[in-house]
Amino acid sequence: DGGITQSPKYLFRKEGQNVTLSCEQNLNHDAMYWYRQDPGQGLRLIYYSQIVNDFQKGDIAEGYSVSREKKESFPLTVTSAQKNPTAFYLCASYDRVGPEAFFGQGTRLTVV
Amino acid sequence: QKEVEQNSGPLSVPEGAIASLNCTYSDRGSQSFFWYRQYSGKSPELIMSIYSNGDKEDGRFTAQLNKASQYVSLLIRDSQPSDSATYLCAVEQRSSASKIIFGSGTRLSIRP
Repeated sequence: DGGITQSPKYLFRKEGQNVTLSCEQNLNHDAMYWYRQDPGQGLRLIYYSQIVNDFQKGDIAEGYSVSREKKESFPLTVTSAQKNPTAFYLCASYDRVGPEAFFGQGTRLTVV
Repeated sequence: QKEVEQNSGPLSVPEGAIASLNCTYSDRGSQSFFWYRQYSGKSPELIMSIYSNGDKEDGRFTAQLNKASQYVSLLIRDSQPSDSATYLCAVEQRSSASKIIFGSGTRLSIRP
């Protein structure tokens, strides 16, 4: 069953902690993306990757980091430098043939 | 100027009528254009993609693209209450290594 999986669904972070959000896909897509969504807002691009071992900053990369060591995986770390991390985080992989971006179910991060 | 602009709404349309959603984009190098529907608390799901000037129809949905005017729209015919959601316009900017940018979304409400 092909798809894109994000975990965990809900995540709580204490002030000053780094946390890592997981994103795995078995769709064999080269391109993957991370977006942040705040209540009542659209999706803002954090980082994206077109190929293994390469990634680019999006519009709001400050306070976040990523890696792309495997085609299937694109984890996002929310660092303590991100001052307002409470949001809904969405990972997507992109099929250029369709074309279509497929989304995971999202991770809702809350700072406690 | 925002890279992808949409009216935030809410747009209220009576059941059975045509809903018209609009989007403009700034990057003339953009290649592919998408309309996603998002229900509250859920991930976006693709409704239509379009990359050639003109109209593309799929059931009750029609996407329209005008690259000269940098404008893309979505028409929903015979609107149903289940169409009530936020509609997100997205654009693939090939000039920026296939960066996919989303608008802020338009909230659509279908009134019975």
